[in-house]
Amino acid sequence: LAKTTQPISMDSYEGQEVNITCSHNNIATNDYITWYQQFPSQGPRFIIQGYKTKVTNEVASLFIPADRKSSTLSLPRVSLSDTAVYYCLVGSQGGSGNTGKLIFGQGTTLQVKP
Amino acid sequence: DAGITQSPRHKVTETGTPVTLRCHQTENHRYMYWYRQDPGHGLRLIHYSYGVKDTDKGEVSDGYSVSRSKTEDFLLTLESATSSQTSVYFCAISDRQGAGELFFGEGSRLTVL
Repeated sequence: LAKTTQPISMDSYEGQEVNITCSHNNIATNDYITWYQQFPSQGPRFIIQGYKTKVTNEVASLFIPADRKSSTLSLPRVSLSDTAVYYCLVGSQGGSGNTGKLIFGQGTTLQVKP
Repeated sequence: DAGITQSPRHKVTETGTPVTLRCHQTENHRYMYWYRQDPGHGLRLIHYSYGVKDTDKGEVSDGYSVSRSKTEDFLLTLESATSSQTSVYFCAISDRQGAGELFFGEGSRLTVL
């Protein structure tokens, strides 16, 4: 299982771009990288997923270098409502024999200030 | 939002009593997970299921058991609750392991006195 390492916390200001990097040195060939956002008293929710290069959706971009040993979640022009905990998760698509254990890292607490 | 319901949402119990938390889904997803979340520890996997009657241990399975007798329900049981099991418990579902999106329930807050 690929272990992930993220910064424990980050601070930013409204309107800035925020980049959160996750290290996953032992990522396997079949593993995908997924980022989740969690607000207090709520379950995490999906932000974005990728396998390699760059993925962009309406809320974030995900950059994955060629060696895939790390990934960077980019949040453009953050607002106060982006204050949350962000988790990266690495897991494989798997075949019939893959049982699906998904382990979260510690997550990064992002504090956006006015 | 994905059809996933946890019950009870809040429970206070005493040390030594059995407790069962229920996760119910209406999405027909294959994979179901139980996580606990405590301050300073993030989300820790307790048990997961990859099909009916197919379950496996996660990171922190001691003191917990699970059962999945049908696709839609995944039960988490604390045979004899301890104060260290005071936590918020989240259930999650997915239709594909790893590459699929995890959908989380709203959580069940358990307090063991």
